[in-house]
Amino acid sequence: GAVVSQHPSWVICKSGTSVKIECRSLDFQATTMFWYRQFPKQSLMLMATSNEGSKATYEQGVEKDKFLINHASLTLSTLTVTSAHPEDSSFYICSAVGTGTVSYEQYFGPGTRLTVT
Amino acid sequence: EDQVTQSPEALRLQEGESSSLNCSYTVSGLRGLFWYRQDPGKGPEFLFTLYSAGEEKEKERLKATLTKKESFLHITAPKPEDSATYLCAVQARDSGYALNFGKGTSLLVTP
Repeated sequence: GAVVSQHPSWVICKSGTSVKIECRSLDFQATTMFWYRQFPKQSLMLMATSNEGSKATYEQGVEKDKFLINHASLTLSTLTVTSAHPEDSSFYICSAVGTGTVSYEQYFGPGTRLTVT
Repeated sequence: EDQVTQSPEALRLQEGESSSLNCSYTVSGLRGLFWYRQDPGKGPEFLFTLYSAGEEKEKERLKATLTKKESFLHITAPKPEDSATYLCAVQARDSGYALNFGKGTSLLVTP
């Protein structure tokens, strides 16, 4: 149980374009989802927290107009990187907490590798 | 401000050579301390949650312990398949569900 998927697993896009990453909870309803970014040999840095049906809460220093998060249903959250630039290249990982899982534990997706050329 | 410091940054062990990884933390009101394993290019895999000082949890060759200032992940008789980065994270009572991660310990177990 508590499986989280992400799509795509990797994506290459050109500078200036936008890319959307999906995060799905497969066997539970995710009331809260998180988006993290991880640079090579670095730890996970929280970007934003999203609750189903409400606006995401962004961490300090994360541009909310650049990283658009939508949590429209209890099983799906999306992260759209708008006008991507090479410095946005990173490993993006989502996690989810919700009903049907053990309290407070986050379950992570497999990650999406974004490369902006 | 919450802080999580893991040591060592990297650890190389021979197969069967037991050792411990350290996670020191400061947090205003700990709700839980989490251990995850992360393989290259993958998302973190949940291992343990510890909620109070004195608590211990075990899973196969891994045992996690917690004090008021630090947590240890003991690896007994490791095998090459235990090679991975081990991440420690704390969750504060007033943070919702947000996790604050340490930088991880990269473990390599050689045959």
